[in-house]
Amino acid sequence: GAGVSQSPSNKVTEKGKDVELRCDPISGHTALYWYRQSLGQGLEFLIYFQGNSAPDKSGLPSDRFSAERTGGSVSTLTIQRTQQEDSAVYLCASSPRTTQPQHFGDGTRLSIL
Amino acid sequence: DAKTTQPNSMESNEEEPVHLPCNHSTISGTDYIHWYRQLPSQGPEYVIHGLTSNVNNRMASLAIAEDRKSSTLILHRATLRDAAVYYCILRSDSGYALNFGKGTSLLVTP
Repeated sequence: GAGVSQSPSNKVTEKGKDVELRCDPISGHTALYWYRQSLGQGLEFLIYFQGNSAPDKSGLPSDRFSAERTGGSVSTLTIQRTQQEDSAVYLCASSPRTTQPQHFGDGTRLSIL
Repeated sequence: DAKTTQPNSMESNEEEPVHLPCNHSTISGTDYIHWYRQLPSQGPEYVIHGLTSNVNNRMASLAIAEDRKSSTLILHRATLRDAAVYYCILRSDSGYALNFGKGTSLLVTP
């Protein structure tokens, strides 16, 4: 079946521009997560959505980062006024319920020039 | 969150068994032991998880020490496609964010 889909797979943009990253979770999965992975580093949790509950935004590194999840399905991560330190691979994951294993997409590789 | 300790890298020959160790001496009673792996240029992939008893699935086996302070992921017959970074993660019953450390980079040679 279809897995977690992320787009674009690669994004190159200039410093100061805004970017939007998209995640299509597996159908029926109520939990959705965003992480980022910098070169040679482990994954850093960013934000978590569960059903209609308020998202846990505790991992967002600054107010330039925001995310939404429309209709309990597709999610968009937005980074405003990008900085070079935002360069990383942004990964999305979903799971049927919070306690179950997470299924990851292949990520969006973001490069800020 | 309780932390895990893994070797930075390991090497195995193709078609040989591989035992990937993980120490988690500060594990709490409600922490599950999860293993994920990440192949180059891909997102992490769930491998297996357990609480107290040893677990088997089509990908691997998980052996958990009786005191739960360590565990071992066992790949019964390594293939070249098993070359990846393997992460051992503790996840509480109520937690959701996965805390990935540096993991073990497994090299499989023909």
